Amino acid sequence: EPEVTQTPSHQVTQMGQEVILRCVPISNHLYFYWYRQILGQKVEFLVSFYNNEISEKSEIFDDQFSVERPDGSNFTLKIRSTKLEDSAMYFCATFDIRGPNTGELFFGEGSRLTVL
Amino acid sequence: DQQVKQNSPSLSVQEGRISILNCDYTNSMFDYFLWYKKYPAEGPTFLISISSIKDKNEDGRFTVFLNKSAKHLSLHIVPSQPGDSAVYFCAATDSGTYKYIFGTGTRLKVLA
Repeated sequence: EPEVTQTPSHQVTQMGQEVILRCVPISNHLYFYWYRQILGQKVEFLVSFYNNEISEKSEIFDDQFSVERPDGSNFTLKIRSTKLEDSAMYFCATFDIRGPNTGELFFGEGSRLTVL
Repeated sequence: DQQVKQNSPSLSVQEGRISILNCDYTNSMFDYFLWYKKYPAEGPTFLISISSIKDKNEDGRFTVFLNKSAKHLSLHIVPSQPGDSAVYFCAATDSGTYKYIFGTGTRLKVLA
């Protein structure tokens, strides 16, 4: 079964450092998302990406965050200068806009970011 | 701005009984609703969805009910099994934006 893969599974970084989280979407999916979940809290929408540009972003997704598809297969989330409150589980998700309309988002296993 | 709310943070049910998880939403533009199950340290996995043109969708032990006038949906699990113990998130989307909003989750514990 096709799956969304994310790396790294866990990253520990110092406050102020840059972090890049990587996602390999399901190959024929065209809509990509980043969500995050702070421990014990809800799964929060960060950004959606379609046709090589940001489709929607939340108020959390400020100038410290950016996304790109550097090579046509990976989908990355970059945090330029990490803060303590960026510590969370970051999930990549993809959606087949052309597929049967179950509306299903496929999630990766997540990347745990710990900012010290 | 909590557009999707799950007011019960936790629920305990005996094995074999029915589990009912509830979800309320405020945005009348939402036209697709989904339930996801999440185990610790894993990504959410899709369970079942329902379009706003329906009021019920069933898949095995899982049934989702949608009450559009009340802006309320529920997930019924019958019979509940210990392996169902997880956090359940409801999500909603407006197919014009494809932006999925998740609720805060309900932790279900099925007791053997």
